Amino acid sequence: KAGVTQTPRYLIKTRGQQVTLSCSPISGHRSVSWYQQTPGQGLQFLFEYFSETQRNKGNFPGRFSGRQFSNSRSEMNVSTLELGDSALYLCASSLAETGDYTFGSGTRLTVV
Amino acid sequence: SQKIEQNSEALNIQEGKTATLTCNYTNYSPAYLQWYRQDPGRGPVFLLLIRENEKEKRKERLKVTFDTTLKQSLFHITASQPADSATYLCATKASGTYKYIFGTGTRLKVLA
Repeated sequence: KAGVTQTPRYLIKTRGQQVTLSCSPISGHRSVSWYQQTPGQGLQFLFEYFSETQRNKGNFPGRFSGRQFSNSRSEMNVSTLELGDSALYLCASSLAETGDYTFGSGTRLTVV
Repeated sequence: SQKIEQNSEALNIQEGKTATLTCNYTNYSPAYLQWYRQDPGRGPVFLLLIRENEKEKRKERLKVTFDTTLKQSLFHITASQPADSATYLCATKASGTYKYIFGTGTRLKVLA
């Protein structure tokens, strides 16, 4: 079966710009979560969506937002990019309440 | 706050030996713990889930234990191979949420 697909794989943006990342979950998975991974902080939870509803949000500023479409595909948006937003952004989908997430390969965002 | 802690120092072991990684949790009692493997530049891959009422879980050369008294899970790789070299992450769901908390991971290097 196809895995979780994240696009693009790499992105370079300038401070102040905005960016949109995309995630296509495994077919049938209705829960999609987003994480930011940096060397110092590890995986930090951004938000989780289920059937187009955001059920949880992490401790990130309002510049970070997301949404989920009726086909379960999800996007996250970061506005007014800062250097500290440089990270690997990971999307994960799951079927059951116990998670056992399937992660995508991530989008490596570099802000210059 | 609920926390997951892993030894952030890298673990180097000789091929064929058993690698043991530790995950400690504080300030709550998770119903289960998950272990993931992550290779550089890739998303984590789910390996095993162990529930609080299970003392031990095995999958091929992998073994996970869960000690609710010590608030600790141990992850063992027996007969380790250089291909097992990766970062291993411990995770669980924060109580009352759909958010997963991850440890920062332990980098394992198996020397040939």
